[in-house]
Amino acid sequence: DAGVIQSPRHEVTEMGQEVTLRCKPISGHDYLFWYRQTMMRGLELLIYFNNNVPIDDSGMPEDRFSAKMPNASFSTLKIQPSEPRDSAVYFCASSLFAGSNEQFFGPGTRLTVL
Amino acid sequence: QKEVEQNSGPLSVPEGAIASLNCTYSDRGSQSFFWYRQYSGKSPELIMFIYSNGDKEDGRFTAQLNKASQYVSLLIRDSQPSDSATYLCAVKPGRRALTFGSGTRLQVQP
Repeated sequence: DAGVIQSPRHEVTEMGQEVTLRCKPISGHDYLFWYRQTMMRGLELLIYFNNNVPIDDSGMPEDRFSAKMPNASFSTLKIQPSEPRDSAVYFCASSLFAGSNEQFFGPGTRLTVL
Repeated sequence: QKEVEQNSGPLSVPEGAIASLNCTYSDRGSQSFFWYRQYSGKSPELIMFIYSNGDKEDGRFTAQLNKASQYVSLLIRDSQPSDSATYLCAVKPGRRALTFGSGTRLQVQP
């Protein structure tokens, strides 16, 4: 298996632009998680899905952030409009089921908003 | 109060020594505890997990839980330079998703 796939790996954009991050979870995994990591705040859970349904989005910082999972093999995290404080590494992770002890992380997308 | 707290470090130990990493958690109902390792510029990877019923040893790594004091520790014996990384403690509070600490940076000096 290729593991969790994320694209793009790096994104540089200007303030006010729309940014879309993409994730393909490991095949057969029922859970998908979006995290944001910064030096100041560490690794923060933004939202997670179970069987394509959003379960907890309490970590989404504000309305500028939205996430979708139209099918079991694809999810997007969108930021519109982007701001410099959104600069971070965004990780997608997947796990097999609710009681699974391991989340498998993708390589991350490093986002820089100028 | 953060749900999971770790000292950011860096924790510096000489090669061959025991490295001791700790984290505290706030939710007494937490049942499972995880240690992830993250190399610089890479994604986190799971190295160990334990349940609330006991400690666990795996090779050079030992994870221990002190429920009364609500802290989890990770001991790395015979530390190697390749162990130099950031170690993230994560806690699963009940049915909720994992909550991660900010991580402790470990430096093993050759």
